[in-house]
Amino acid sequence: NAGVTQTPKFRILKIGQSMTLQCTQDMNHNYMYWYRQDPGMGLKLIYYSVGAGITDKGEVPNGYNVSRSTTEDFPLRLELAAPSQTSVYFCASSYISGGEETQYFGPGTRLLVL
Amino acid sequence: SQKIEQNSEALNIQEGKTATLTCNYTNYSPAYLQWYRQDPGRGPVFLLLIRENEKEKRKERLKVTFDTTLKQSLFHITASQPADSATYLCARPGGYQKVTFGTGTKLQVIP
Repeated sequence: NAGVTQTPKFRILKIGQSMTLQCTQDMNHNYMYWYRQDPGMGLKLIYYSVGAGITDKGEVPNGYNVSRSTTEDFPLRLELAAPSQTSVYFCASSYISGGEETQYFGPGTRLLVL
Repeated sequence: SQKIEQNSEALNIQEGKTATLTCNYTNYSPAYLQWYRQDPGRGPVFLLLIRENEKEKRKERLKVTFDTTLKQSLFHITASQPADSATYLCARPGGYQKVTFGTGTKLQVIP
């Protein structure tokens, strides 16, 4: 199993540009998440999904959008990039067993908005 | 809201010593707490889960405790090695399908 994969690894965007961060998991997990991580700060939840066709906002959703058309894929869309969106983005998937959830993270996408 | 606090941003210890990292939580005790390891430039990796009714759990050189009176979990690495150097994150389940992570403690094991 490849686990959770993310592309691209690194990207530089100009202010106002848009892009999609890709995330794919091959573990057949229903739950998927997008986080951003800034230096010295914890992981902030952007959006999450509990299954194909179902998404919901997390703690910091503004400026982002998601879709979940399949179990495997959970892309994150930035429509009008702003310097405040410079960060490292992590995708994660999880399963719940006996009420306990374990998250599996991708390697991250480093985004720089100039 | 449920919060997780890892008060130490960084911890330096000598190789061979026991590292102890602290995680404090607020409000009600969660059903379980988790610890993850994050290496530079990589995503977090799950290490251990401890349930509310478990006082202690061990995995090789790792030991985690859960004290519901102090609202605290301690993460110990015995006989620490330079390869243990990383950032360690504490996490608790929050609301529906949401997990709250601490900001992490960066451990540096000095040879």
